[in-house]
Amino acid sequence: ETGVTQTPRHLVMGMTNKKSLKCEQHLGHNAMYWYKQSAKKPLELMFVYNFKEQTENNSVPSRFSPECPNSSHLFLHLHTLQPEDSALYLCASSPDPGVMGTEAFFGQGTRLTVV
Amino acid sequence: GQQVMQIPQYQHVQEGEDFTTYCNSSTTLSNIQWYKQRPGGHPVFLIQLVKSGEVKKQKRLTFQFGEAKKNSSLHITATQTTDVGTYFCAAIIYGQNFVFGPGTRLSVLP
Repeated sequence: ETGVTQTPRHLVMGMTNKKSLKCEQHLGHNAMYWYKQSAKKPLELMFVYNFKEQTENNSVPSRFSPECPNSSHLFLHLHTLQPEDSALYLCASSPDPGVMGTEAFFGQGTRLTVV
Repeated sequence: GQQVMQIPQYQHVQEGEDFTTYCNSSTTLSNIQWYKQRPGGHPVFLIQLVKSGEVKKQKRLTFQFGEAKKNSSLHITATQTTDVGTYFCAAIIYGQNFVFGPGTRLSVLP
C-alpha cells in the first residue's frame, strides 16, 4: 500500500451517466494529481493541485471536472463521457509539487469502462 | 510540449539475461525518476537521479544520469521473473511537473 487510496477500483458507466472518482491520502502531501493511462499511450497528466489550488489543466475536456476540497481528498467528476475515455485513472500525491523533485505515490487506480 | 522518449518499447528476455532501457529528452532536466508498474498494478517509485553523470545501484538495478542531464538508463543484471513489468522514466524539467515517458514493457521468459 502506498498510502493513496482510490475508489472505486472498477467502474462501468453509460455515456449519459454522472459518476465521481475519489482519491484520498493521509500522507500529509501537498500536491495531488490525476493521470489517465490508456492501453497504448503513456501516462497523461490531467490535473495538478498544489495546496488545494489547481495549478495545471492539460487541455482536458470539460466532461472531466476535478475537485479538491482539502489537501487529503481529490475527486474527478465524470459526465457524458465517450467510449474513448475508457482507461485506468490514476491518482498520485507528492510531498511537494513535482517541480521540486519529490517522488510521486500512486493509488491503485480506477479502471473505467464507458459503454 | 516537452516529450520524453523511451526505447525500446518492448523487450523480451530469457531469465538470467541482462536488460537495459533508455530515456531521452531534448531538454536539459532538473532530475529524473524511475518507476516500475507490474501488470495490473500501479507505478511505484524506484529512484531519483539529480546530479550530472550520477550512477546509483539497487541490488541488480543500475541507474545512470547522462553527463548533459538529457538522458538516463536503467540496467538490470541477470533478470528474474519478478522483474516483469513496465519501467517508466519521469523527467522533471525546471519549473514543470513530472513528464512520464511511454515506458518499456519487460517480459522475462523462465
